[in-house]
Amino acid sequence: GENVEQHPSTLSVQEGDSAVIKCTYSDSASNYFPWYKQELGKRPQLIIDIRSNVGEKKDQRIAVTLNKTAKHFSLHITETQPEDSAVYFCAAIGAAGNKLTFGGGTRVLVKP
Amino acid sequence: NAGVMQNPRHLVRRRGQEARLRCSPMKGHSHVYWYRQLPEEGLKFMVYLQKENIIDESGMPKERFSAEFPKEGPSILRIQQVVRGDSAAYFCASSPSQGTYYEQYFGPGTRLTVT
Repeated sequence: GENVEQHPSTLSVQEGDSAVIKCTYSDSASNYFPWYKQELGKRPQLIIDIRSNVGEKKDQRIAVTLNKTAKHFSLHITETQPEDSAVYFCAAIGAAGNKLTFGGGTRVLVKP
Repeated sequence: NAGVMQNPRHLVRRRGQEARLRCSPMKGHSHVYWYRQLPEEGLKFMVYLQKENIIDESGMPKERFSAEFPKEGPSILRIQQVVRGDSAAYFCASSPSQGTYYEQYFGPGTRLTVT
């Protein structure tokens, strides 16, 4: 089945700096890669996603890039703000169907 | 436009009791997924259902766990004879039946504590 690895597990940045989180996946047939933000005690919230026919997607301060050949995708957050502090999860949907396989999560701390 | 609803939000059960978790998908969504999140860990897929059908239960423990999504009413995740290791947050997600069917939106979760 699909396996998703996520790095780093923790990331501390100064407010205003950029944050980058990287994920790799194993199933070359995977075709959908969402990113979720989860604040403490809250639900995972879909913040951006990318499909396999696209290499990059942007939404204001966040962007996602996908390299299908290398089977990795990344989340970029620019001009970080304290409210960006949360745990971020990458995920992939493999060839098996609709189920999401999640990475282990990255705890992001933005220091004011 | 209400999002995915789950209840109860918190559930405390003694070892050996049964836990029933309910999930109502977003309006217009007919695909329901259940995920489990252990403390300080990521989310793990359990089961994927459509109305009256279990599509993929590859993540469900073989014993004590069952799920259903009846024609009328919410989806139910049922855990029989709970053990301490079942303590976790259980999240339900739903996705549209057409169009962007792969986009999954999560409910607030049910936090199960087994004492």
